[in-house]
Amino acid sequence: AQKITQTQPGMFVQEKEAVTLDCTYDTSDPSYGLFWYKQPSSGEMIFLIYQGSYDQQNATEGRYSLNFQKARKSANLVISASQLGDSAMYFCAMTRLTGGFKTIFGAGTRLFVKA
Amino acid sequence: DAGVTQSPTHLIKTRGQQVTLRCSPKSGHDTVSWYQQALGQGPQFIFQYYEEEERQRGNFPDRFSGHQFPNYSSELNVNALLLGDSALYLCASSLSQGEATNEKLFFGSGTQLSVL
Repeated sequence: AQKITQTQPGMFVQEKEAVTLDCTYDTSDPSYGLFWYKQPSSGEMIFLIYQGSYDQQNATEGRYSLNFQKARKSANLVISASQLGDSAMYFCAMTRLTGGFKTIFGAGTRLFVKA
Repeated sequence: DAGVTQSPTHLIKTRGQQVTLRCSPKSGHDTVSWYQQALGQGPQFIFQYYEEEERQRGNFPDRFSGHQFPNYSSELNVNALLLGDSALYLCASSLSQGEATNEKLFFGSGTQLSVL
């Protein structure tokens, strides 16, 4: 069975500083994808970044990067130069790349950006 | 380009009633997934519809059922509502790529269901 663990219920970061949100996962599938989504107070989940299990390089999307450590089964999200608008819930998610169609989510981390 | 739209945005029901939630996927998408998000928790997968059929189902009772129409829109039905069904129900759309599932999900803003 697949499982996503996010151990930080809440995080604080000063505006313009970098922050790392932790995510560990468990799966027996050799081929999987990892995602991070942002959920503002409006409720809509917004895709941030994707990493495939066979990708050699860590994914980056603007101010977002994914620190993928396959042996440790971790997929931490790094947000550089935090902005006030980054205050939101952040969810780590995983899907099987073959033989399955559902995406599973962790419990989330609430990020507070301080001015 | 319209994104994923869900209706209604809020709904109040009483125990034992039935409810229908609706979702229109993003233009060009053919797959719809439904998620239940309880307060303070991550979304839980209910089921996914593709080509008008339920393709995969999560660990939810048969009281939860769905439908997908030829225009790819979808409905989620919940019968015999329980207090524990109170949650935010999210619809997500994607473009199916056969066996590969690395496509990102596009979400609607959800329907907040309260069961009294």
